Amino acid sequence: AQSVTQLGSHVSVSEGALVLLRCNYSSSVPPYLFWYVQYPNQGLQLLLKYTSAATLVKGINGFEAEFKKSETSFHLTKPSAHMSDAAEYFCAVRPGGGGNKLTFGTGTQLKVEL
Amino acid sequence: KAGVTQTPRYLIKTRGQQVTLSCSPISGHRSVSWYQQTPGQGLQFLFEYFSETQRNKGNFPGRFSGRQFSNSRSEMNVSTLELGDSALYLCASSLPGQGGGNIQYFGAGTRLSVL
Repeated sequence: AQSVTQLGSHVSVSEGALVLLRCNYSSSVPPYLFWYVQYPNQGLQLLLKYTSAATLVKGINGFEAEFKKSETSFHLTKPSAHMSDAAEYFCAVRPGGGGNKLTFGTGTQLKVEL
Repeated sequence: KAGVTQTPRYLIKTRGQQVTLSCSPISGHRSVSWYQQTPGQGLQFLFEYFSETQRNKGNFPGRFSGRQFSNSRSEMNVSTLELGDSALYLCASSLPGQGGGNIQYFGAGTRLSVL
């Protein structure tokens, strides 16, 4: 079964500091990996996706993630945090077969402080 | 292009009642998936519909059901509501096909409170 583990349910950074949100996956087949962001009282918005085309994936709002097969990781980073980045972030995996079922991690709440 | 629309946004029901939630996908999207989000269990997959057929199903009791219409709009129904059904229910739509890179676009959700 496919799964993802997000380390750290809460992460706090200063504005302008590096953002690093961790995600490790478990998959017996090459996975499709996604990062979504959720702002209060809203649905999920896709930040970026990995589909094996390139290991370094660039997304919206300055976020990027690197797929590392040897570490089974897909960590999300942003060089410089902005107050507007405060939100909850979810890593998700989808198997390479049929269907659109996503399995989500437990989420990481990002707090950005002045 | 309009996004995924979920109605109603908020709903309050009492135990034992039933509820129907609606989801209108993005125009041209034929796959609709439903997820339940709770503080304790996080985001959990309920089911997926494609061309009016259920294609995948999560690990939820039979009280949870859904359907999809010919225009791709989808509804989910929860019968005999329990307190634990209180959650944010999210609907997501995606383009046809089963490509792994298909992006799912989420609606704002319906927040169900069971009293």
